[in-house]
Amino acid sequence: GESVGLHLPTLSVQEGDNSIINCAYSNSASDYFIWYKQESGKGPQFIIDIRSNMDKRQGQRVTVLLNKTVKHLSLQIAATQPGDSAVYFCAEKKAGTALIFGKGTTLSVSS
Amino acid sequence: EADIYQTPRYLVIGTGKKITLECSQTMGHDKMYWYQQDPGMELHLIHYSYGVNSTEKGDLSSESTVSRIRTEHFPLTLESARPSHTSQYLCASSRDTNTEAFFGQGTRLTVV
Repeated sequence: GESVGLHLPTLSVQEGDNSIINCAYSNSASDYFIWYKQESGKGPQFIIDIRSNMDKRQGQRVTVLLNKTVKHLSLQIAATQPGDSAVYFCAEKKAGTALIFGKGTTLSVSS
Repeated sequence: EADIYQTPRYLVIGTGKKITLECSQTMGHDKMYWYQQDPGMELHLIHYSYGVNSTEKGDLSSESTVSRIRTEHFPLTLESARPSHTSQYLCASSRDTNTEAFFGQGTRLTVV
């Protein structure tokens, strides 16, 4: 599968490949993390979340990994499809505050 | 499908005009948020509310103001629009502070 180093703005993959999108978060006190998908002209759509007491969580075709030691979050998409093409944002939240978003990664899937 | 609605979707307005961007949600969420997003960029928090009569400024300084008179309604107002206010404004709500936030479709504002 294709992977990127710590935040690259774009990722291009072939249909059927696995995609890995990385994110570095800023606040060691953050205890909740979310990945959102944003398609052109639309608001962000929830994909998967994880709390700081976990290091891995799986959904349908997606997995989020959390490494608190290096403040790193990743989103893995299995068998990437053209419909997965969008901008992906990670977001973190410290208790009692609102979501703070990172820079997005544009995923392009070619068939 | 999230039950959070923003109007208008698109707005082109002249400099100096007063505008209000509407946001309503039917999920009974106490927490509501406004984010500003320039094309291709990340979302920046400009206002949030944890309940009726509660509003706070976010991390990004904004000349806009908000009010929260009813749980379901969180309008954002610009008293005097300027070209620098041209951006997309996204409203969101959540049940708790540590649960997912649901976003509206956004209002794309252009000030000429």
